[in-house]
Amino acid sequence: AQSVSQHNHHVILSEAASLELGCNYSYGGTVNLFWYVQYPGQHLQLLLKYFSGDPLVKGIKGFEAEFIKSKFSFNLRKPSVQWSDTAEYFCAVNNAGNMLTFGGGTRLMVKP
Amino acid sequence: SAVISQKPSRDICQRGTSLTIQCQVDSQVTMMFWYRQQPGQSLTLIATANQGSEATYESGFVIDKFPISRPNLTFSTLTVSNMSPEDSSIYLCSVGTSGADTQYFGPGTRLTVL
Repeated sequence: AQSVSQHNHHVILSEAASLELGCNYSYGGTVNLFWYVQYPGQHLQLLLKYFSGDPLVKGIKGFEAEFIKSKFSFNLRKPSVQWSDTAEYFCAVNNAGNMLTFGGGTRLMVKP
Repeated sequence: SAVISQKPSRDICQRGTSLTIQCQVDSQVTMMFWYRQQPGQSLTLIATANQGSEATYESGFVIDKFPISRPNLTFSTLTVSNMSPEDSSIYLCSVGTSGADTQYFGPGTRLTVL
């Protein structure tokens, strides 16, 4: 069975700091990788996704993620965070089947 | 992406009762799923709602507790039966156009069981 782990449960940053959220998965086959974001009081939204091709993918709001197959990782990055990035971030994986497996989530708080 | 609505958005229910949650999509979709997000936790897949046949449940979830209907390609319901306080969660539906495609999520139904 596949699993997803997010190493940081809570992250606190000041505005303009750089962000990197770790995500590792366990599955030996071909995977599709996602980052979702849940802003306070809002529903889950897709931030970015990787299916194939360039392992560095760019998403909305200046976020990007890099797929490193050898490390089974798909870390999320943003060079300079804003207060409005305060949210919970979820990494998720699915394979050729239907099942989307989520990581435990990382709560990011950005201090103004 | 599809526009997904859920009803009710929230409810407070008594122990032992049942609640049916509706998920409506503005376009036909192949795949519909139901997830649970317990307080402070991540999302867990309950089941895949199959159009015209019985839902496919994940380990730990059973049809008697979480009956699901999917009468067509734009609508599904999830019932939480014989509720207990441990069922207090956010229940979300999601949709996708194929098995390995991107899933888009509804706004969720926040359920509190007293």
